[in-house]
Amino acid sequence: GAVVSQHPSRVICKSGTSVKIECRSLDFQATTMFWYRQFPKQSLMLMATSNEGSKATYEQGVEKDKFLINHASLTLSTLTVTSAHPEDSSFYICSAATGAVDTEAFFGQGTRLTVV
Amino acid sequence: DAKTTQPPSMDCAEGRAANLPCNHSTISGNEYVYWYRQIHSQGPQYIIHGLKNNETNEMASLIITEDRKSSTLILPHATLRDTAVYYCIVKGGAQKLVFGQGTRLTINP
Repeated sequence: GAVVSQHPSRVICKSGTSVKIECRSLDFQATTMFWYRQFPKQSLMLMATSNEGSKATYEQGVEKDKFLINHASLTLSTLTVTSAHPEDSSFYICSAATGAVDTEAFFGQGTRLTVV
Repeated sequence: DAKTTQPPSMDCAEGRAANLPCNHSTISGNEYVYWYRQIHSQGPQYIIHGLKNNETNEMASLIITEDRKSSTLILPHATLRDTAVYYCIVKGGAQKLVFGQGTRLTINP
Protein backbone atom coordinates (compact mmCIF):
# COMPACT_ATOMS: atom_id res chain seq x y z
CA GLY A 1 0.00 0.00 0.00
CA ALA A 2 0.90 3.65 -0.19
CA VAL A 3 3.23 5.16 2.38
CA VAL A 4 2.41 8.01 4.72
CA SER A 5 5.22 9.23 6.89
CA GLN A 6 4.59 11.10 10.10
CA HIS A 7 7.26 12.95 12.04
CA PRO A 8 8.23 13.00 14.83
CA SER A 9 7.08 9.68 16.23
CA ARG A 10 7.51 10.92 19.79
CA VAL A 11 7.86 14.38 21.25
CA ILE A 12 8.00 15.78 24.75
CA CYS A 13 7.46 19.48 25.19
CA LYS A 14 7.04 21.92 28.02
CA SER A 15 3.67 23.36 28.87
CA GLY A 16 3.03 26.58 26.98
CA THR A 17 5.21 25.78 24.00
CA SER A 18 4.10 24.81 20.49
CA VAL A 19 4.75 21.57 18.67
CA LYS A 20 4.59 20.89 14.95
CA ILE A 21 3.80 17.46 13.54
CA GLU A 22 4.41 16.70 9.87
CA CYS A 23 2.52 14.27 7.68
CA ARG A 24 3.87 13.35 4.24
CA SER A 25 2.48 11.16 1.51
CA LEU A 26 5.60 9.64 -0.01
CA ASP A 27 4.36 7.97 -3.18
CA PHE A 28 1.06 9.57 -4.07
CA GLN A 29 -0.59 12.96 -4.17
CA ALA A 30 -2.91 13.51 -1.26
CA THR A 31 -5.64 15.99 -2.05
CA THR A 32 -7.16 15.34 1.35
CA MET A 33 -5.52 14.74 4.69
CA PHE A 34 -7.15 13.97 8.00
CA TRP A 35 -5.90 14.49 11.53
CA TYR A 36 -7.00 12.27 14.41
CA ARG A 37 -6.35 12.17 18.11
CA GLN A 38 -6.45 9.05 20.22
CA PHE A 39 -6.48 8.85 24.00
CA PRO A 40 -5.48 5.64 25.80
CA LYS A 41 -7.90 2.76 25.31
CA GLN A 42 -10.14 4.86 23.11
CA SER A 43 -10.85 4.93 19.42
CA LEU A 44 -9.53 7.49 16.96
CA MET A 45 -11.33 10.81 17.07
CA LEU A 46 -11.31 12.91 13.92
CA MET A 47 -10.08 16.43 14.57
CA ALA A 48 -10.06 18.03 11.15
CA THR A 49 -10.03 17.50 7.41
CA SER A 50 -7.73 19.49 5.18
CA ASN A 51 -7.75 19.84 1.42
CA GLU A 52 -4.68 21.03 -0.39
CA GLY A 53 -4.65 24.77 -0.78
CA SER A 54 -7.70 25.50 1.32
CA LYS A 55 -8.54 25.98 4.96
CA ALA A 56 -9.07 22.98 7.15
CA THR A 57 -12.52 21.93 8.30
CA TYR A 58 -12.58 21.24 12.01
CA GLU A 59 -14.87 18.84 13.83
CA GLN A 60 -17.19 20.17 16.47
CA GLY A 61 -15.40 20.89 19.72
CA VAL A 62 -11.92 21.14 18.21
CA GLU A 63 -10.33 24.56 18.65
CA LYS A 64 -8.98 25.73 15.32
CA ASP A 65 -6.76 28.37 16.94
CA LYS A 66 -5.14 25.76 19.12
CA PHE A 67 -4.66 23.09 16.48
CA LEU A 68 -3.33 24.84 13.40
CA ILE A 69 -3.42 22.80 10.23
CA ASN A 70 -1.61 23.65 7.05
CA HIS A 71 -1.89 21.66 3.82
CA ALA A 72 0.23 23.70 1.47
CA SER A 73 1.15 20.94 -0.98
CA LEU A 74 -0.20 17.64 -2.26
CA THR A 75 2.32 15.73 -0.20
CA LEU A 76 2.58 17.61 3.07
CA SER A 77 0.25 18.62 5.87
CA THR A 78 1.27 19.92 9.27
CA LEU A 79 -0.51 20.08 12.60
CA THR A 80 0.75 22.61 15.12
CA VAL A 81 -0.41 22.28 18.69
CA THR A 82 -0.09 25.79 20.07
CA SER A 83 0.41 26.66 23.73
CA ALA A 84 0.34 22.99 24.62
CA HIS A 85 -0.97 21.86 27.99
CA PRO A 86 -0.75 18.47 29.71
CA GLU A 87 -4.31 17.65 28.63
CA ASP A 88 -3.13 17.87 25.01
CA SER A 89 -0.93 14.85 25.62
CA SER A 90 -2.22 12.23 23.22
CA PHE A 91 -1.48 10.08 20.19
CA TYR A 92 -1.93 12.15 17.02
CA ILE A 93 -2.41 10.34 13.73
CA CYS A 94 -2.69 11.64 10.20
CA SER A 95 -4.09 9.98 7.15
CA ALA A 96 -3.93 10.86 3.50
CA ALA A 97 -6.20 10.12 0.58
CA THR A 98 -6.28 10.90 -3.11
CA GLY A 99 -9.89 11.97 -2.94
CA ALA A 100 -11.11 9.43 -5.47
CA VAL A 101 -14.37 7.73 -4.60
CA ASP A 102 -13.26 4.14 -4.37
CA THR A 103 -9.87 4.46 -2.76
CA GLU A 104 -8.64 3.86 0.72
CA ALA A 105 -6.93 6.34 3.01
CA PHE A 106 -3.50 5.52 4.39
CA PHE A 107 -2.29 6.36 7.84
CA GLY A 108 0.93 7.59 9.32
CA GLN A 109 2.55 5.79 12.20
CA GLY A 110 1.34 8.38 14.70
CA THR A 111 3.00 10.89 17.01
CA ARG A 112 3.01 10.43 20.75
CA LEU A 113 2.89 13.90 22.29
CA THR A 114 3.65 14.33 25.97
CA VAL A 115 3.31 17.78 27.49
CA VAL A 116 5.08 18.23 30.81
CA ASP B 1 -21.12 9.16 14.30
CA ALA B 2 -20.00 5.68 13.41
CA LYS B 3 -22.54 3.81 11.32
CA THR B 4 -21.40 0.34 12.28
CA THR B 5 -21.75 -2.07 15.19
CA GLN B 6 -19.06 -4.54 16.13
CA PRO B 7 -18.54 -6.88 19.09
CA PRO B 8 -16.09 -5.28 21.52
CA SER B 9 -13.80 -8.29 21.70
CA MET B 10 -13.15 -11.71 20.21
CA ASP B 11 -10.68 -14.51 20.69
CA CYS B 12 -9.32 -16.89 18.11
CA ALA B 13 -6.81 -19.72 18.19
CA GLU B 14 -3.64 -19.35 16.21
CA GLY B 15 -3.88 -21.04 12.83
CA ARG B 16 -7.67 -20.93 12.75
CA ALA B 17 -9.80 -18.58 10.70
CA ALA B 18 -10.88 -15.42 12.47
CA ASN B 19 -14.31 -14.19 11.45
CA LEU B 20 -15.12 -10.65 12.51
CA PRO B 21 -18.71 -9.50 12.07
CA CYS B 22 -19.96 -5.99 11.43
CA ASN B 23 -23.48 -4.63 11.23
CA HIS B 24 -24.21 -1.61 9.07
CA SER B 25 -27.96 -1.69 8.64
CA THR B 26 -28.23 1.97 7.57
CA ILE B 27 -25.67 1.76 4.79
CA SER B 28 -26.51 3.79 1.69
CA GLY B 29 -26.25 2.58 -1.87
CA ASN B 30 -23.06 4.51 -2.63
CA GLU B 31 -21.25 3.68 0.59
CA TYR B 32 -18.39 1.23 0.79
CA VAL B 33 -17.42 -1.01 3.69
CA TYR B 34 -13.82 -0.51 4.79
CA TRP B 35 -11.79 -2.53 7.26
CA TYR B 36 -8.75 -1.25 9.08
CA ARG B 37 -6.81 -2.61 12.00
CA GLN B 38 -4.66 -0.96 14.60
CA ILE B 39 -1.87 -2.72 16.37
CA HIS B 40 -0.97 -1.17 19.70
CA SER B 41 0.62 2.28 19.44
CA GLN B 42 0.67 2.31 15.64
CA GLY B 43 -1.39 4.03 12.99
CA PRO B 44 -4.29 2.07 11.49
CA GLN B 45 -3.48 -0.30 8.65
CA TYR B 46 -5.79 -0.67 5.68
CA ILE B 47 -7.02 -4.22 5.16
CA ILE B 48 -9.73 -4.37 2.52
CA HIS B 49 -12.87 -2.68 1.27
CA GLY B 50 -15.87 -3.53 -0.85
CA LEU B 51 -19.19 -2.26 -2.17
CA LYS B 52 -21.40 -5.30 -2.66
CA ASN B 53 -19.32 -8.10 -4.06
CA ASN B 54 -17.12 -10.28 -1.90
CA GLU B 55 -13.49 -9.25 -1.99
CA THR B 56 -10.24 -11.05 -1.29
CA ASN B 57 -6.66 -9.89 -1.08
CA GLU B 58 -3.43 -11.17 0.41
CA MET B 59 -4.51 -10.18 3.90
CA ALA B 60 -8.15 -11.11 4.19
CA SER B 61 -11.53 -11.78 2.63
CA LEU B 62 -14.58 -9.58 2.94
CA ILE B 63 -18.01 -11.12 2.74
CA ILE B 64 -20.90 -8.68 2.33
CA THR B 65 -24.47 -9.90 2.66
CA GLU B 66 -26.79 -9.48 -0.27
CA ASP B 67 -28.79 -6.77 1.47
CA ARG B 68 -25.49 -5.09 2.43
CA LYS B 69 -26.63 -4.66 6.00
CA SER B 70 -23.76 -6.66 7.43
CA SER B 71 -20.37 -8.00 6.54
CA THR B 72 -17.69 -10.34 7.82
CA LEU B 73 -13.95 -9.95 7.66
CA ILE B 74 -12.15 -13.25 7.46
CA LEU B 75 -8.52 -13.75 8.35
CA PRO B 76 -8.01 -17.27 6.96
CA HIS B 77 -5.09 -18.41 9.11
CA ALA B 78 -4.71 -16.13 12.09
CA THR B 79 -1.27 -15.58 13.58
CA LEU B 80 -0.20 -13.93 16.81
CA ARG B 81 0.68 -10.82 14.80
CA ASP B 82 -2.97 -10.44 13.86
CA THR B 83 -3.79 -9.42 17.42
CA ALA B 84 -5.15 -5.90 17.03
CA VAL B 85 -8.26 -3.74 17.14
CA TYR B 86 -10.25 -4.17 13.93
CA TYR B 87 -12.43 -1.34 12.69
CA CYS B 88 -15.30 -1.69 10.25
CA ILE B 89 -16.16 1.65 8.65
CA VAL B 90 -18.84 2.67 6.19
CA LYS B 91 -17.87 5.50 3.91
CA GLY B 92 -19.15 6.99 0.70
CA GLY B 93 -17.47 9.28 -1.78
CA ALA B 94 -15.33 11.95 -0.21
CA GLN B 95 -16.68 11.35 3.27
CA LYS B 96 -14.24 11.16 6.12
CA LEU B 97 -13.37 7.93 7.90
CA VAL B 98 -15.20 7.88 11.22
CA PHE B 99 -13.99 5.23 13.62
CA GLY B 100 -16.23 3.36 16.03
CA GLN B 101 -14.96 1.32 18.95
CA GLY B 102 -13.92 -1.65 16.84
CA THR B 103 -13.33 -5.26 17.85
CA ARG B 104 -10.34 -6.17 19.92
CA LEU B 105 -9.17 -9.46 18.42
CA THR B 106 -6.82 -11.59 20.46
CA ILE B 107 -5.09 -14.51 18.81
CA ASN B 108 -4.17 -17.17 21.33
CA PRO B 109 -1.29 -19.63 20.90
